[in-house]
Amino acid sequence: EVYLEESGGGLVQPGRSLRLSCVVFGFAFDDYAMHWVRQAPGKGLEWISGISWNSGSRTYADSVKGRFTVSRDNAKNSLYLQMNTLRPDDTALYYCAKVKGAVAGPTDYWGQGTLVTVSS
Amino acid sequence: EIVLTQSPGTLSLSPGERATLSCRASQSVSSSFLAWYQQKPGQAPRLLIYGASSRATGIPDRFSGSGSGTDFTLTISRLEPEDFAVYYCQQYGSSPSTFGQGARLEIK
Repeated sequence: EVYLEESGGGLVQPGRSLRLSCVVFGFAFDDYAMHWVRQAPGKGLEWISGISWNSGSRTYADSVKGRFTVSRDNAKNSLYLQMNTLRPDDTALYYCAKVKGAVAGPTDYWGQGTLVTVSS
Repeated sequence: EIVLTQSPGTLSLSPGERATLSCRASQSVSSSFLAWYQQKPGQAPRLLIYGASSRATGIPDRFSGSGSGTDFTLTISRLEPEDFAVYYCQQYGSSPSTFGQGARLEIK
């Protein structure tokens, strides 16, 4: 059974950093691209970052470019999101999601999310 | 980036009725790389349709997708009580990938 579990969320002050992790089970992690998608409280979905199966392609939404860095460790079946210079509008539930493809595609499995709150 | 606009914002229908949700792109979506997701309160989104018209694994055949270029449609042929939720379209043909703002399907 495919399962994704995010961790690392919490309350952080504006301007500080946070690192999210996502460990996956039930599929060959190193065969697939992965995405990070966030959802602010009561709002819609926002795609923020993607990484190809071999880390050769990394893409970001303009809203996080230059502040967030996506990475993965295929040996540990894990995906990461390093978030720097956090702002109050980064407050959201952060989902990791498996892509239906090695480089790009829709997301066919999602975790339950980890909540990040940026506030002083 | 490609902006996706969903309409209507809210659709009020009764079980058994047909639902039609629209997603319009600000520019052509490459190779019909358009997906639809369903999200219920407190749950992660679920993939329904990808490639504009292919149903994801386990999705009932009352869900169908159509369209190309800049205009796409999700149709639910006969609404079941569990279908009342929020629906999002997403394009993944151009970077950055983008989602529509969502459309709420509520019970009338």
